[in-house]
Amino acid sequence: ETGVTQTPRHLVMGMTNKKSLKCEQHLGHNAMYWYKQSAKKPLELMFVYNFKEQTENNSVPSRFSPECPNSSHLFLHLHTLQPEDSALYLCASSQEAGAGEQYFGPGTRLTVT
Amino acid sequence: GEDVEQSLFLSVREGDSSVINCTYTDSSSTYLYWYKQEPGAGLQLLTYIFSNMDMKQDQRLTVLLNKKDKHLSLRIADTQTGDSAIYFCAEMRGTSYGKLTFGQGTILTVHP
Repeated sequence: ETGVTQTPRHLVMGMTNKKSLKCEQHLGHNAMYWYKQSAKKPLELMFVYNFKEQTENNSVPSRFSPECPNSSHLFLHLHTLQPEDSALYLCASSQEAGAGEQYFGPGTRLTVT
Repeated sequence: GEDVEQSLFLSVREGDSSVINCTYTDSSSTYLYWYKQEPGAGLQLLTYIFSNMDMKQDQRLTVLLNKKDKHLSLRIADTQTGDSAIYFCAEMRGTSYGKLTFGQGTILTVHP
């Protein structure tokens, strides 16, 4: 595998479910990011991790819980989501936060029913 | 207004040049990026320019930066149908520690 991978690619979940999104980067980077892409809104940064430490939480509701066990892996744990949380969730990585270009994964298309 | 603005649609004929424009508001921007998103896919980094440059060329792509007017453009020469996609402009601010601010994206449609 090369670049940034995300699983699953598509996810449908009910509002009471708990699920997790996974991101893995194979680029040797130290920073990882979660973005949300909704229809009719610009891409929104959610979280930034730099060397496994969270450096940015962009006022994200607590029903989204990130986890970064090491520099190569990033998770987004989801629970009691709302229909308006349906979106494309994109993961990205860069050499360090604030340094180097960000490379994106293909995204997870989430639908909350 | 929005921090980063782009026109929403651009339609060109195959073989013509496409110019996608972007304006931003923060004078502390250090890097400016162009990303491409094809249907059902993530964002692909096309090119970027450092704020102390005014032009960068990479094969069919030319980026122009007017820092005084806070205006960025992406020119695609000899546009092909495979260039049809959404193009996003993004800025990284000097104080943002990795946070990219994106425009809404320009949908480029290339007609045969």
